[in-house]
Amino acid sequence: GAVVSQHPSRVICKSGTSVKIECRSLDFQATTMFWYRQFPKQSLMLMATSNEGSKATYEQGVEKDKFLINHASLTLSTLTVTSAHPEDSSFYICSAGAGLQTEAFFGQGTRLTVV
Amino acid sequence: KQEVTQIPAALSVPEGENLVLNCSFTDSAIYNLQWFRQDPGKGLTSLLLIQSSQREQTSGRLNASLDKSSGRSTLYIAASQPGDSATYLCAVPRGGYNKLIFGAGTRLAVHP
Repeated sequence: GAVVSQHPSRVICKSGTSVKIECRSLDFQATTMFWYRQFPKQSLMLMATSNEGSKATYEQGVEKDKFLINHASLTLSTLTVTSAHPEDSSFYICSAGAGLQTEAFFGQGTRLTVV
Repeated sequence: KQEVTQIPAALSVPEGENLVLNCSFTDSAIYNLQWFRQDPGKGLTSLLLIQSSQREQTSGRLNASLDKSSGRSTLYIAASQPGDSATYLCAVPRGGYNKLIFGAGTRLAVHP
């Protein structure tokens, strides 16, 4: 199957700092990628849709100024958690598909801990 | 609004048993349904994708069925093994894109 690579897998940062997470589609071009968040013992919740060459669209309740998304190329989307707080500690995971109605592939996820 | 429910929430079985994991969704107008496996602290591994026109898909010891009209899908795991221990998630897309709505998952433990 297709491969989506996410980096880093784990990051610890201090409150108030920013953290960037990268998501790459390695063997296909993805005009759209998706960012999810998963709190302990809960399922994945969609945060935002990353659109290549245009602004991301955010789900209700997700602060766009806090979670900055950039999709500068067909193979790379980045999520930057700005001014991180302990409540932002979570598992962040990206996904991409090769087209409409196709299989979704997920990255390995990033465990963010804000101290 | 689409909602996805998975039953049971947790399952603990001895090795060798055949298992049934259930997934239901409220809006039957779906393009496909996907089953995933998630190991603790890890990302998602796609197991099976069933298109809306299909009734079932098989991969090795896994078989997934889809009944759109009743809003249900079932994942069968034959001859379970300890290595099958993980959380199993089902998901349906919102619209035609890969923007997925997930169930809460079934946490499976297979003991020797």
